[in-house]
Amino acid sequence: GAGVSQSPSNKVTEKGKDVELRCDPISGHTALYWYRQSLGQGLEFLIYFQGNSAPDKSGLPSDRFSAERTGGSVSTLTIQRTQQEDSAVYLCASTLRGGGDYEQYFGPGTRLTVT
Amino acid sequence: SQQGEEDPQALSIQEGENATMNCSYKTSINNLQWYRQNSGRGLVHLILIRSNEREKHSGRLRVTLDTSKKSSSLLITASRAADTASYFCATDAKAAGNKLTFGGGTRVLVKP
Repeated sequence: GAGVSQSPSNKVTEKGKDVELRCDPISGHTALYWYRQSLGQGLEFLIYFQGNSAPDKSGLPSDRFSAERTGGSVSTLTIQRTQQEDSAVYLCASTLRGGGDYEQYFGPGTRLTVT
Repeated sequence: SQQGEEDPQALSIQEGENATMNCSYKTSINNLQWYRQNSGRGLVHLILIRSNEREKHSGRLRVTLDTSKKSSSLLITASRAADTASYFCATDAKAAGNKLTFGGGTRVLVKP
């Protein structure tokens, strides 16, 4: 079956512009995560959606970052007024159920470059 | 601060040798997972070990967990060039809201 997909795979934007990154999780997976990874670094947690519960936004670095998950499926991460330090790979993952007891399935990521 | 910290940060070995990397964490966990990442893109799940388990095997991979020392190790036996990747541990801890927290990773280079 299809895995987690993300689009676009690469995005180059000018400083100050808004960007939207999309994640299509595996069908039937109730939990969805967004992470950010700078070059050669580990994964930085951004936000976690689980079913109809309020999302865990504790990792969002500033109010320029927001995310939504429509219909319990597709998710969009929006970065407003992008800054050069936002340049990174943004990874999305989904799991069958919420909580840390399940294997995470990752998408290929979106490489964001802010010039 | 990150829950899981890998050691070493980088490892270079010859094909056929074993590779060992360690993960230390700070708070009690429900389980610990190891992931592999090739070429800076999506991660792939390798093994999940629960807090009441001490050792698990999967093919050439062996994972140990010592909850008294709050540490885990990943051993790759008879390494191959295709094992070249970054390896991350991720912990599931109640203190972190029952979501996975990833460490900084170990970059492994297997030379042919």
